[in-house]
Amino acid sequence: KAGVTQTPRYLIKTRGQQVTLSCSPISGHRSVSWYQQTPGQGLQFLFEYFSETQRNKGNFPGRFSGRQFSNSRSEMNVSTLELGDSALYLCASSAGTSKDTQYFGPGTRLTVL
Amino acid sequence: EDQVTQSPEALRLQEGESSSLNCSYTVSGLRGLFWYRQDPGKGPEFLFTLYSAGEEKEKERLKATLTKKESFLHITAPKPEDSATYLCAPRGAGSYQLTFGKGTKLSVIP
Repeated sequence: KAGVTQTPRYLIKTRGQQVTLSCSPISGHRSVSWYQQTPGQGLQFLFEYFSETQRNKGNFPGRFSGRQFSNSRSEMNVSTLELGDSALYLCASSAGTSKDTQYFGPGTRLTVL
Repeated sequence: EDQVTQSPEALRLQEGESSSLNCSYTVSGLRGLFWYRQDPGKGPEFLFTLYSAGEEKEKERLKATLTKKESFLHITAPKPEDSATYLCAPRGAGSYQLTFGKGTKLSVIP
């Protein structure tokens, strides 16, 4: 079974730009979660989607948004990029119940200059 | 609010020297305690899920245990390839998100 895939793997943007990251979950998984990882804050939860609906949202500003498509693929968007948005963005997929294991993709490394 | 503290932050072991990593948590209605391993620049790799106090799981040189307030990851006779950051994350009732600790960075020296 193919794992979680994320594209692109690396991105370099400048302040003020916007960016869209993509995540394809494991086949059959309906839940996709997004996390931001930085050296100072560790892994922080952004949001979670299940069957195209956002079920959970973390404490991030409205510049961070996401969506999920009918095939369970998900995208997250960051508008008006700031230097502090430089991070590894990880997505994880699961079957969707609260006991299910989340399996992570390789991440997208975003650098904001 | 869910809270997770992992200790130590960093651990340096000689090859073959066994030790334990600690994960202390506060969560309402635990629905699972998850352990992951992360190598630099990569996504976390799933290791174990523990659901109730007293539960234990093993995989090669790793053994995870769970109490009502803590989880331990025991590493027996580690090898250099066990070097990584180990992350724990509990999930509470009614939540679909994981709350991660800052991790323990393990270095195993040959």
